[in-house]
Amino acid sequence: AQTVTQSQPEMSVQEAETVTLSCTYDTSENNYYLFWYKQPPSRQMILVIRQEAYKQQNATENRFSVNFQKAAKSFSLKISDSQLGDTAMYFCAFGGFNTDKLIFGTGTRLQVFP
Amino acid sequence: DARVTQTPRDKVTEMGQEVTMRCQPILGHNTVFWYRQTMMQGLELLAYFRNRAPLDDSGMPKDRFSAEMPDATLATLKIQPSEPRDSAVYFCASGSGPPKGELFFGEGSRLTVL
Repeated sequence: AQTVTQSQPEMSVQEAETVTLSCTYDTSENNYYLFWYKQPPSRQMILVIRQEAYKQQNATENRFSVNFQKAAKSFSLKISDSQLGDTAMYFCAFGGFNTDKLIFGTGTRLQVFP
Repeated sequence: DARVTQTPRDKVTEMGQEVTMRCQPILGHNTVFWYRQTMMQGLELLAYFRNRAPLDDSGMPKDRFSAEMPDATLATLKIQPSEPRDSAVYFCASGSGPPKGELFFGEGSRLTVL
């Protein structure tokens, strides 16, 4: 069974700085997706970025980028130029290529300070 | 702007009462999921449907929970009778399955059972 581990329950960063959130996963599949979701205090779950395992190039969305290490089963999220609005829970998620379900990690609470 | 719509946003009820949560998935999505979020357990998958057929409800306490999709525009999650331990935020999400893989979430229904 697939598992997703986020080992950092909480992190903090100063505005304009860079922060990296860690995620590791376990799977025997070769093709799959990985996602980062953001949950601000409004509690809406928002997709931040996605990565297909067959793509070697790391995904980037504006200030958000990932470091995908397939062999190490690692999928970290880097937030550059942190903004106060980035304060939220961040969830890493795994999706199998032939399944519909997403498996979520336990989340990392990020606080951005002025 | 397509989005998943959930009602109610917040619900406070007394133990033993029936609770029904409703979800309108994004038009054209063929998978619908119910997740429960608590501080202790994180995001748990309760049930999911593909093309309105229930595929997995192994995460759901069957004695009191039921999930249905009467039609393609409505999914329901019912708890009868409710208990204080059911207090949580319940999310509905929909998706179009592989190859895109991502899920789109509603704003969640916060349930408090007294």
